[in-house]
Amino acid sequence: GQNIDQPTEMTATEGAIVQINCTYQTSGFNGLFWYQQHAGEAPTFLSYNVLDGLEEKGRFSSFLSRSKGYSYLLLKELQMKDSASYLCAVSRDDKIIFGKGTRLHILP
Amino acid sequence: DTEVTQTPKHLVMGMTNKKSLKCEQHMGHRAMYWYKQKAKKPPELMFVYSYEKLSINESVPSRFSPECPNSSLLNLHLHALQPEDSALYLCASSQVEGTSIPYEQYFGPGTRLTVT
Repeated sequence: GQNIDQPTEMTATEGAIVQINCTYQTSGFNGLFWYQQHAGEAPTFLSYNVLDGLEEKGRFSSFLSRSKGYSYLLLKELQMKDSASYLCAVSRDDKIIFGKGTRLHILP
Repeated sequence: DTEVTQTPKHLVMGMTNKKSLKCEQHMGHRAMYWYKQKAKKPPELMFVYSYEKLSINESVPSRFSPECPNSSLLNLHLHALQPEDSALYLCASSQVEGTSIPYEQYFGPGTRLTVT
């Protein structure tokens, strides 16, 4: 089986930095995805980590520790458009299994 | 072209109807997926096709019947659905490398299905 945990909701201020954590327990782990999903829209890909360490892509960075079953998504210079759900998803075998998502609210 | 398209955008059907959802991509991806997403929940995997062959069926009821006529198209045939099947149905596609398909999935906009 698999278990993916991330906070249900977070709130941050425009211009600030926020870190969304994800812990997972799964067999057959290949890698970990982060997706962004705005209400009523399809998920869009943000990052994919296979190896331990930090991957930076513009304002977004993602970190993975395979030994700890832990990942985080770091969002810098927050903008109002970053208000969305952020889905941690584990790739195992031929599947991608999604966590329940973290709803991020950005305050002006 | 990095787009996955889905039709229709909205569908309302009765429990005795037969309808189909369609998905199309022209990115040369050889893996295609159907997900079901209820409000404020994450997407739940239903089916995976790899090289036009069904590789994963997540114990989905037989009233949902997937079909992959070619490498660009994916259908989901619906028959005798229940009101609890009302949800957003998302199609996605991805590359395949070797025998594993862990790659980034491109999602379509979804079909919002209401069963009355």
